[in-house]
Amino acid sequence: DAGITQSPRYKITETGRQVTLMCHQTWSHSYMFWYRQDLGHGLRLIYYSAAADITDKGEVPDGYVVSRSKTENFPLTLESATRSQTSVYFCASSSRPTSGNTGELFFGEGSRLTVL
Amino acid sequence: AQKITQTQPGMFVQEKEAVTLDCTYDTSDPSYGLFWYKQPSSGEMIFLIYQGSYDQQNATEGRYSLNFQKARKSANLVISASQLGDSAMYFCAMREGGVTSGSRLTFGEGTQLTVNP
Repeated sequence: DAGITQSPRYKITETGRQVTLMCHQTWSHSYMFWYRQDLGHGLRLIYYSAAADITDKGEVPDGYVVSRSKTENFPLTLESATRSQTSVYFCASSSRPTSGNTGELFFGEGSRLTVL
Repeated sequence: AQKITQTQPGMFVQEKEAVTLDCTYDTSDPSYGLFWYKQPSSGEMIFLIYQGSYDQQNATEGRYSLNFQKARKSANLVISASQLGDSAMYFCAMREGGVTSGSRLTFGEGTQLTVNP
């Protein structure tokens, strides 16, 4: 029961390079999310997806691109990495909230990205 | 304006005592949900408890309870009988809108709880 997995767990890159963080979930959850965690800011939503081929911006989308061609995958790409994108990135998924389901987020283990 | 405010960057509690972690929220939506997550030093995010805006009773899950005061817009987490393993960062989060709005959560900055033996 893998649940939700992120790769790579750790990545060091240089300014200007393209980086893709992968996220895969095995629950067939409708919703998927990318958050970044920085000291003093908690977790901030970058992008989210309500279903395959449906994505939308969150609070801090600039510099990031997402796609969701399959329900189970939600990769996050930094097209030209900057030092300000050094962070811990969390992928999360949830089922559609209903009256009997809180719709809580299930998180991956996080990907620590350092941009030099 | 901050949607979720956690005013305690750090809290200390003695083992076996109860502790309250504060959370206030700001929304004009009558339908919303409030969540608490725990993040131990290992980094994973663990869901603890949920309170819906229309729930009549305060939520409880084992040693965790949520003190929901709707008029004051507060959703404090109470941990009873603290254990050393409760030492972690705790995040309060809110989902605005009803069940059709999905689960976009807005998080607070977190409270670092340390349980002393």
